[in-house]
Amino acid sequence: ILNVEQSPQSLHVQEGDSTNFTCSFPSSNFYALHWYRWETAKSPEALFVMTLNGDEKKKGRISATLNTKEGYSYLYIKGSQPEDSATYLCAFLQGGKLIFGQGTELSVKP
Amino acid sequence: SQTIHQWPATLVQPVGSPLSLECTVEGTSNPNLYWYRQAAGRGLQLLFYSVGIGQISSEVPQNLSASRPQDRQFILSSKKLLLSDSGFYLCAWSVRTYSNQPQHFGDGTRLSIL
Repeated sequence: ILNVEQSPQSLHVQEGDSTNFTCSFPSSNFYALHWYRWETAKSPEALFVMTLNGDEKKKGRISATLNTKEGYSYLYIKGSQPEDSATYLCAFLQGGKLIFGQGTELSVKP
Repeated sequence: SQTIHQWPATLVQPVGSPLSLECTVEGTSNPNLYWYRQAAGRGLQLLFYSVGIGQISSEVPQNLSASRPQDRQFILSSKKLLLSDSGFYLCAWSVRTYSNQPQHFGDGTRLSIL
């Protein structure tokens, strides 16, 4: 059974703070690592799909990096806003299926 | 553009009753289809996935079953619900060449078993 671990489990920051989360995954047989944002009362929304070691992707104030050799990915949010409050999920692709981590719940206070 | 519809949004069912949740996708052909469950305090767990009509793979032993009667229709069923079936159920789709393509999720069904 593959383990995809995310830390921290929850995070409370003030508006304007920058923050980052970690996703750890098996370093062997890597195909892709997905990041999703899941806001309350909405469906999960894809942020990034990362496939190459050393890859860095950016979407507005959110960026992500990938290290497939050591098995981790970081998600960064620069200048957090209240609308960034959500659960951030990473998922490891294996055998055509996504194995999800437990998520990091981010709360941004104005 | 592609859209995914999942219903109902909420459902309250007694133990032992049957279940049918439906998911349909529009604007794409031959998608991969998935059913996930998020039990209380836990992450998303893949229940079933399908790569084509009538082709269903089950990921965990459970009281549920899935069917894909049409290319863009995916149904989650149970003959007799258990208390442990409570949770939030999500349907998702992706294109067949999945290595660098995200999954797209429906709005989910919150199922409460009494």
